[in-house]
Amino acid sequence: KAGVTQTPRYLIKTRGQQVTLSCSPISGHRSVSWYQQTPGQGLQFLFEYFSETQRNKGNFPGRFSGRQFSNSRSEMNVSTLELGDSALYLCASRMDGNYGYTFGSGTRLTVV
Amino acid sequence: QKEVEQNSGPLSVPEGAIASLNCTYSDRGSQSFFWYRQYSGKSPELIMFIYSNGDKEDGRFTAQLNKASQYVSLLIRDSQPSDSATYLCPGGGYQKVTFGTGTKLQVIP
Repeated sequence: KAGVTQTPRYLIKTRGQQVTLSCSPISGHRSVSWYQQTPGQGLQFLFEYFSETQRNKGNFPGRFSGRQFSNSRSEMNVSTLELGDSALYLCASRMDGNYGYTFGSGTRLTVV
Repeated sequence: QKEVEQNSGPLSVPEGAIASLNCTYSDRGSQSFFWYRQYSGKSPELIMFIYSNGDKEDGRFTAQLNKASQYVSLLIRDSQPSDSATYLCPGGGYQKVTFGTGTKLQVIP
C-alpha cells in the first residue's frame, strides 16, 4: 500500500516568489491536512480538506492557500514568499472521522 | 487556551526504565486520542490510539485514558535508546487536528 507522497522533497525559492506543493494521499483517504513545522513552533495546522472542500483553516495569512481535487490529491500554494516561510511542510491523510493520520515525508522549503 | 497540554521536556530516562508522557485536553468533546512519535529529521508516525477509558497495551507501549479528567498518558516500558524521539498528542477535534511542540524523550544508554 503506497504511503502519502509529497513532491518535491526540497525547494529553494527567492523572496517574493510563489510556490506550489503537492500531496497524494493514501488511496481511499479523503481527508488531507497540511502542517508547517519549524524548530521553535512545532507543527502548525494550515488547513484540512475533505471532498474538495476546505473544512478548517489555521491562523496563517491569506498568502497560504490550498485546494483538493476530485481524486483527493491536494496542493498548497504560498504566494509572495517571505524568509519566515522557510519550513518543513507536511501533508497528512486519513479516512474521514476520528482516525489517525499518516504523514508524508514533507517538502523542505527554503526561502532566500 | 491551548487545546492540549503536554508535560514539558526534554524528558531523560535511563535505558530499561519506564518513560511516562502525559497530555491533558481542554476539549471535553474529544472522542479519540492518539500518540505520534517523531524522530529527528523524520515525519510523525502514529504509534497508539485509544477511544475508551482505561488502558490499551501494545508491546512495550501502554496508553491510558481518563475522559473525566481529560487526561491521556503514554507509558514506555523497558525504554530503549531507539525510543528517543519527540512524542506528540494532538488535540483540537477531528477536523482541525492541532499538535503542540510535543515532549522530547531521551533514553540514556
